[in-house]
Amino acid sequence: EAGVAQSPRYKIIEKRQSVAFWCNPISGHATLYWYQQILGQGPKLLIQFQNNGVVDDSQLPKDRFSAERLKGVDSTLKIQPAKLEDSAVYLCASSPKGDTGELFFGEGSRLTVL
Amino acid sequence: QKEVEQDPGPLSVPEGAIVSLNCTYSNSAFQYFMWYRQYSRKGPELLMYTYSSGNKEDGRFTAQVDKSSKYISLFIRDSQPSDSATYLCAMEGGKLIFGQGTELSVKP
Repeated sequence: EAGVAQSPRYKIIEKRQSVAFWCNPISGHATLYWYQQILGQGPKLLIQFQNNGVVDDSQLPKDRFSAERLKGVDSTLKIQPAKLEDSAVYLCASSPKGDTGELFFGEGSRLTVL
Repeated sequence: QKEVEQDPGPLSVPEGAIVSLNCTYSNSAFQYFMWYRQYSRKGPELLMYTYSSGNKEDGRFTAQVDKSSKYISLFIRDSQPSDSATYLCAMEGGKLIFGQGTELSVKP
């Protein structure tokens, strides 16, 4: 079974530039998550999708971050404009069920903002 | 007070040692308790999953949940260098909350 795919693995940008990350979840998983993991910290949920719909985006900085999940499969997370404090690993995860904590993570996209 | 507290370590032990990793929490709504393992530059992977108070064993790993004390533990027996990773506790009660992670190093 193929795992969660993410790209790009690494990205370096200047502050105020924009960046987009892509995620393809495990086939058949209805729930998709984007997490932000700052160095030395645990992952923090940015947004959770159930199929096409948003379940929780309470911690997404909506003035600069946006995410979409078209057709209930792939998802894109965008940051515009980026700030220095956005330097982190952006993890995508999927789950067959949305409320039990059994998540399957991708390898992450490491963002450095200079 | 954070909802989930985890000692960040780092923790260094010799090969073969018994390792104890712990988390405390404050939210009584948490129903599911997980331990994730994260190798360097990789995503977290689910290691252990428990629903209620008590113990759950899987090979060299034992997860323990004490809901009355709001305390969970992960024990690793006969630790191996391949166990060197960051261990994240996580709890679900409408929302999945991760601890800070404990960095473990097992020396040969």
